[in-house]
Amino acid sequence: NAGVTQTPKFQVLKTGQSMTLQCAQDMNHEYMSWYRQDPGMGLRLIHYSVGAGITDQGEVPNGYNVSRSTTEDFPLRLLSAAPSQTSVYFCASSRKGTGQSSPLHFGNGTRLTVT
Amino acid sequence: AQKVTQAQTEISVVEKEDVTLDCVYETRDTTYYLFWYKQPPSGELVFLIRRNSFDEQNEISGRYSWNFQKSTSSFNFTITASQVVDSAVYFCALAMDSNYQLIWGAGTKLIIKP
Repeated sequence: NAGVTQTPKFQVLKTGQSMTLQCAQDMNHEYMSWYRQDPGMGLRLIHYSVGAGITDQGEVPNGYNVSRSTTEDFPLRLLSAAPSQTSVYFCASSRKGTGQSSPLHFGNGTRLTVT
Repeated sequence: AQKVTQAQTEISVVEKEDVTLDCVYETRDTTYYLFWYKQPPSGELVFLIRRNSFDEQNEISGRYSWNFQKSTSSFNFTITASQVVDSAVYFCALAMDSNYQLIWGAGTKLIIKP
């Protein structure tokens, strides 16, 4: 099993450019989420989805869009990149439980730099 | 309000010492779940353990042990006879039945020196 696959691993963007971070899981997990990790700030939830066709905002959703057309895929779109979006991004998935009671499986992360 | 506090930003010990990482949480929910995750220098995040609020039994897994105490709202993690491979950032997290957002602590960076 590949688990959670994120691409790309590294990306450099110029301010104003757009891009999509890809995330795919092969564990048939209903729940998927995107986090960003910044030094000294731990993990912050951007968006999450509890199933295909359902998405919701997390703690820091501004500047990001998501969609969930299939159970497997949960792409994160940056519409107009800003230097404040320089961060490491993690995609995670889990079985659907009551609330977020199931352990998360994480991808290996995408290191994004916006200049 | 829900909150997770990991007061120890960084801990440095010499190999073979025991070390305890503290985690204090706040929630008004009666049903909740506590997690520990490990992030080694390579960057991936790895699940270590989950505890639900109705199970206060301590857990031991090899050199790792976890002490859950509802009376002090703490879920501490102890590594016995630490090894260099234990060097990582360790995160404590809290989940409730009432929503889908994990509450994360800021993490504790553990450095094990040879």
